[in-house]
Amino acid sequence: GENVEQHPSTLSVQEGDSAVIKCTYSDSASNYFPWYKQELGKRPQLIIDIRSNVGEKKDQRIAVTLNKTAKHFSLHITETQPEDSAVYFCAARQAGTALIFGKGTTLSVSS
Amino acid sequence: EAGVAQSPRYKIIEKRQSVAFWCNPISGHATLYWYQQILGQGPKLLIQFQNNGVVDDSQLPKDRFSAERLKGVDSTLKIQPAKLEDSAVYLCASSPRTALQETQYFGPGTRLLVL
Repeated sequence: GENVEQHPSTLSVQEGDSAVIKCTYSDSASNYFPWYKQELGKRPQLIIDIRSNVGEKKDQRIAVTLNKTAKHFSLHITETQPEDSAVYFCAARQAGTALIFGKGTTLSVSS
Repeated sequence: EAGVAQSPRYKIIEKRQSVAFWCNPISGHATLYWYQQILGQGPKLLIQFQNNGVVDDSQLPKDRFSAERLKGVDSTLKIQPAKLEDSAVYLCASSPRTALQETQYFGPGTRLLVL
C-alpha cells in the first residue's frame, strides 16, 4: 500500500522568510496530493492540492510542486507570517481510496 | 454550506468501557471517512463508506471497533471495550467523490481520553 514520508518534522523560520516542506510517496498509482493545515485543537483544513497531471500549482503565498518521476511533492510558503504557524500534513491517494497522510511538520514563524 | 458535524467533542472513559461517536457529513456527500489521529501523528484511516456500503475497513480493529452508516447519511463509530491506546482524536470527513471533486472536508473531531 501507499506510504508517505514527510520532512522535516519541525521547521522554524523568521517572519518574511520562505518555508519548504517535502514529502515522498511510494505508490506510483497515486494521483492526488493535498496539503492540510492543522492549528492546535482544530480540524485539518485543506490549503492546496495538486493532481498528477499538473507539475505546479500556486495560490497567493502558497505553492505545491510535484515530481512524478521521483515520487515527491513539496509545499512552498513565501513571505511567512506568524499566523502560518501550525502543523502541516501532506497526503496522497489514488482514485477510489482514502488519503494516506504524512506524520506532519510543525512550522513555527517568529516575528 | 454547513460543515461536517461531530459529537461529542470530548469524551473521558475508563478502559474496558464502551463509547460511541456520531458524524453528520456535508449534505450530498456520498463518501464518509473515519480517521484516528494520535497525538503528534497524521490521521490514519479506520473506515471508508461510499453511501451506506463499506469501501475499506482494512485498518479497523474489528475485535473492538465497529461503524455503520445507515441510510447513507449519518454515521456512528463505536469502541467496545476501550483500551488505553485508543486515546486519540477521532475525525470524520466527507467528500463528494466525483471525478472533479476529491476534496475531503473534516469535522472538528472527538477527543477521546481512556483512563
